[in-house]
Amino acid sequence: KQEVTQIPAALSVPEGENLVLNCSFTDSAIYNLQWFRQDPGKGLTSLLLIQSSQREQTSGRLNASLDKSSGRSTLYIAASQPGDSATYLCAALDSNYQLIWGAGTKLIIKP
Amino acid sequence: EPEVTQTPSHQVTQMGQEVILRCVPISNHLYFYWYRQILGQKVEFLVSFYNNEISEKSEIFDDQFSVERPDGSNFTLKIRSTKLEDSAMYFCASSESVPSYGYTFGSGTRLTVV
Repeated sequence: KQEVTQIPAALSVPEGENLVLNCSFTDSAIYNLQWFRQDPGKGLTSLLLIQSSQREQTSGRLNASLDKSSGRSTLYIAASQPGDSATYLCAALDSNYQLIWGAGTKLIIKP
Repeated sequence: EPEVTQTPSHQVTQMGQEVILRCVPISNHLYFYWYRQILGQKVEFLVSFYNNEISEKSEIFDDQFSVERPDGSNFTLKIRSTKLEDSAMYFCASSESVPSYGYTFGSGTRLTVV
């Protein structure tokens, strides 16, 4: 059974720093891995999607990588800003086309 | 950019009542999903729907739940005889012809059962 884990559960960094959020999954048989942002009490905003055949995807200051063999994905945020403060979720699309979610990393960017 | 629309944004209901959560998926998408997130917990899969029938459902999706696509645009989740533990954020999502192309999620309906 696929399990997705995100470390750390929470992270607080000063504005301007580069940071990395981690996501690991137990079963490498995934179709893709998606990173989402969730603001408190709000919906799920898709940030990046990496297909199983891809190694990374970039959008602006965000870069996501995928290493299926090690069961890991990272989300790199460059030059962090207070507006980046949110919970970041990763989700793996498993062989049954179900998204299996991590618990998220709560990110706080201090001005 | 096309959106998935969910209504209402917040619903309060008394325990034992039935609720219907509504979703309008992106018009050319063929796969539809419901997920839920209990406060402080992981997002959980409930059900997927394709070609006017359920394609997958989780253990959570028992006889209390049902889904329907009553017309060409709406996709609904009905919860019968609501319980306190049904309180959660419910998310609708849709995807194109191939689910691995990615999902688009709605902004969610916060259901509070009192």
